[in-house]
Amino acid sequence: EAQVTQNPRYLITVTGKKLTVTCSQNMNHEYMSWYRQDPGLGLRQIYYSMNVEVTDKGDVPEGYKVSRKEKRNFPLILESPSPNQTSLYFCASSLLGESYEQYFGPGTRLTVT
Amino acid sequence: AQKITQTQPGMFVQEKEAVTLDCTYDTSDQSYGLFWYKQPSSGEMIFLIYQGSYDEQNATEGRYSLNFQKARKSANLVISASQLGDSAMYFCAMRERGSSASKIIFGSGTRLSIRP
Repeated sequence: EAQVTQNPRYLITVTGKKLTVTCSQNMNHEYMSWYRQDPGLGLRQIYYSMNVEVTDKGDVPEGYKVSRKEKRNFPLILESPSPNQTSLYFCASSLLGESYEQYFGPGTRLTVT
Repeated sequence: AQKITQTQPGMFVQEKEAVTLDCTYDTSDQSYGLFWYKQPSSGEMIFLIYQGSYDEQNATEGRYSLNFQKARKSANLVISASQLGDSAMYFCAMRERGSSASKIIFGSGTRLSIRP
């Protein structure tokens, strides 16, 4: 089954404790992206990757890191989480091009206290 | 700069009626794609429909159609014969060809509630 998986689905952590949210896709997509969803703001792009070892900033990259060492995986790293990073996070993947829809993971709800 | 505007934070519609969700966009690119996604209360993001900037016909997918008016930079989603299961958040999104179609932006969403 074609899918994007994210782990964990729910996470409560404390300020400053490094965490990683994993994302994996099995569709051989070149493009992968991370978004955060906040009420009234829709989805905002954090980072994206067009292929292995190619990553770039989206609209809200501050406080986040990513890496793309393998085509299927695109982890999101919060090295020192803060309460303003409490949000719902989505990973997505797609083929590269303006006509291709994205496939989304189930989301990770992160709470930073 | 890219921008997507959804001006209806929430809408209530009677079951079986048609509903139009508004989306306007701003881009300087000539080639781009417009997408609508549905997010039910369970949280997953579901792709509904795509419209290319060079498509001459409005896109349709079952009960969903996209009213594309390029000169006005609008891409409204029309749901015909609404059903209770259509109650959800709806997001409009745009993907430009420039920068290898890398950046994707979303609107703030419209919460649609269907009344029985």
